[in-house]
Amino acid sequence: GENVEQHPSTLSVQEGDSAVIKCTYSDSASNYFPWYKQELGKRPQLIIDIRSNVGEKKDQRIAVTLNKTAKHFSLHITETQPEDSAVYFCAASIVISYGGTASKLTFGTGTRLQVTL
Amino acid sequence: NAGVTQTPKFRILKIGQSMTLQCTQDMNHNYMYWYRQDPGMGLKLIYYSVGAGITDKGEVPNGYNVSRSTTEDFPLRLELAAPSQTSVYFCASSQGERNTEAFFGQGTRLTVV
Repeated sequence: GENVEQHPSTLSVQEGDSAVIKCTYSDSASNYFPWYKQELGKRPQLIIDIRSNVGEKKDQRIAVTLNKTAKHFSLHITETQPEDSAVYFCAASIVISYGGTASKLTFGTGTRLQVTL
Repeated sequence: NAGVTQTPKFRILKIGQSMTLQCTQDMNHNYMYWYRQDPGMGLKLIYYSVGAGITDKGEVPNGYNVSRSTTEDFPLRLELAAPSQTSVYFCASSQGERNTEAFFGQGTRLTVV
């Protein structure tokens, strides 16, 4: 099955600096790559996603890049703020056939980002 | 629109007891998932379902069972609880077409003592 590796496990940056989190996936059939943010004690929530037909996507201070050949994708956060402190998860989905189509998300192990003042 | 609702939010079980974690969604999503998250760790898939009447194992299914009799509900059953099942459990759902967002419930914090 799919295997998603995520690095680093912890990341500390100063406010205003950029943060980069990297993920690799194993299954070349994966075609959807979301990123989730989980604040302390809260549920994971989608912050940005990218599909395999796109190389880069931006949403204000957040961007995600995808390299299909190398099977890796990255989350970039610019001008970090204290409220960016959280655990970030990458994920990859595979299409599964059960007389139809389905997607099963495989998550990375998470990156704890701490933005210091 | 409530989204994905899990009950209970907290529970303490004694070793060997059984319980059912409830999950219901009102978004008419076909696909539902159960994850567990151990302290400081990532999300591990326990079971998932691609539609009513269809379930399949994830990475860590041992000690758990699920059923999907309706589109809305996807309960997770713990039989003979063990300390290793102490974790936070998240239910999630997605529409089920390719490349789709998963919505999570608020989580159930389970402690087995």
